[in-house]
Amino acid sequence: ELQLVQSGVEVKKPGESLKISCKGSGFSFTTYWIGWVRQMPGKGLEWMGTIYPGDSDTRYSASFEGQVTISADKSISTAYLHWSSLKASDSAMYYCARSLAAAMVPFDSWGQGTLVTVSS
Amino acid sequence: QSALTQSASVSGSPGQSITISCTGASSDVGGYQYVSWYQQHPGKAPKLIIFDVNSRPSGVPDRFSGSIYGNTASLTISGLQAEDEADYYCSSYRTISTLGVVFGGGTKLTVL
Repeated sequence: ELQLVQSGVEVKKPGESLKISCKGSGFSFTTYWIGWVRQMPGKGLEWMGTIYPGDSDTRYSASFEGQVTISADKSISTAYLHWSSLKASDSAMYYCARSLAAAMVPFDSWGQGTLVTVSS
Repeated sequence: QSALTQSASVSGSPGQSITISCTGASSDVGGYQYVSWYQQHPGKAPKLIIFDVNSRPSGVPDRFSGSIYGNTASLTISGLQAEDEADYYCSSYRTISTLGVVFGGGTKLTVL
């Protein structure tokens, strides 16, 4: 069964670092793009960036470049989203999703989401 | 980076048809056949319902259809059902600024 399983809820303080994960199963992880999408409370979807685990080719939205780092470990079929210094404004639900095409869309399967709360 | 433009809300009665529009530019919606639509129920992850402008993934009812004219894509839901009440987002490949993906702001569908 095709699945993207994300790591659990995170509660952090401003300035702390965080890495959340997205583990794929039931498909060839290295032949799909894995994207990260932010959804702030009560707001819409925002594309953050996408990685191709096969060769680690990574594309970032201009809005998120330099703010987060996307990586992947193809040996364990897992993609990551990393912050070095969290801000309160990073509080949101984060989804990973896979796409097959080089155009990085559509996202045909989604993880369940990871809720991140950043508060002092 | 600006999102694709969607109306904030739309409503319809059971059995009726509604259309949600998604307006972009020649660098995204109008330039590529890579428009997709997602349905999101409260507290749930988004679900792909239309890809490549007008294709449906397996399992999505044919009540959902997509089209495009110029820089505006549309999602039509016919024979509205109560379970269609959700948020709907369009998305496109975009080649301005950075090569990547852009979403619309979302449309809240209310089934009266």
